[in-house]
Amino acid sequence: DGGITQSPKYLFRKEGQNVTLSCEQNLNHDAMYWYRQDPGQGLRLIYYSQIVNDFQKGDIAEGYSVSREKKESFPLTVTSAQKNPTAFYLCASSLQGARNQPQHFGDGTRLSIL
Amino acid sequence: GDSVTQMEGPVTLSEEAFLTINCTYTATGYPSLFWYVQYPGEGLQLLLKATKADDKGSNKGFEATYRKETTSFHLEKGSVQVSDSAVYFCALEMNTGFQKLVFGTGTRLLVSP
Repeated sequence: DGGITQSPKYLFRKEGQNVTLSCEQNLNHDAMYWYRQDPGQGLRLIYYSQIVNDFQKGDIAEGYSVSREKKESFPLTVTSAQKNPTAFYLCASSLQGARNQPQHFGDGTRLSIL
Repeated sequence: GDSVTQMEGPVTLSEEAFLTINCTYTATGYPSLFWYVQYPGEGLQLLLKATKADDKGSNKGFEATYRKETTSFHLEKGSVQVSDSAVYFCALEMNTGFQKLVFGTGTRLLVSP
């Protein structure tokens, strides 16, 4: 079945360490997104990409980086500059340029600090 | 800027009770509106949507009507089940060049047998 796969499901980071969260989709969607979910704050957009080799900062991009070398993949790196990385991270995808189309979400990665 | 406000949770109901989760929005222009549901340990799934004023979205017994005059998109269900226990997010799609969603803070629903 088509969908979005995020891995790992749980991830632990040591102080000063960069970690990378994986997101792969086989829905043939052009657009992909990364969100951060904190208790009581809903979802906030970190980065998005509308096409391969292009991406844009969202509302809370500081301390994060992304790449989009393949249509299917949109990995997120949480750098040591992100001082409060503990959160639930959700990846999503959608048809590019198609308003009112739903975003499809992965099952998320929960990141914690050791 | 554009924003979505949802009622605080948790909402605790007995099985077969009537459900209402309030959602109001602030936006320039005429956004599209969505309800997403998140089951424990999972990502979000689209529950229903409405793209213009007076549209009614419906799915799995849930309904919501786009009310431009009150800038609201309240979620309702006539008879909830234990399996409906989840977190519900109201969202709007901004009128930008790409599909950017603005989410409310979510409302947790707990249904007991």
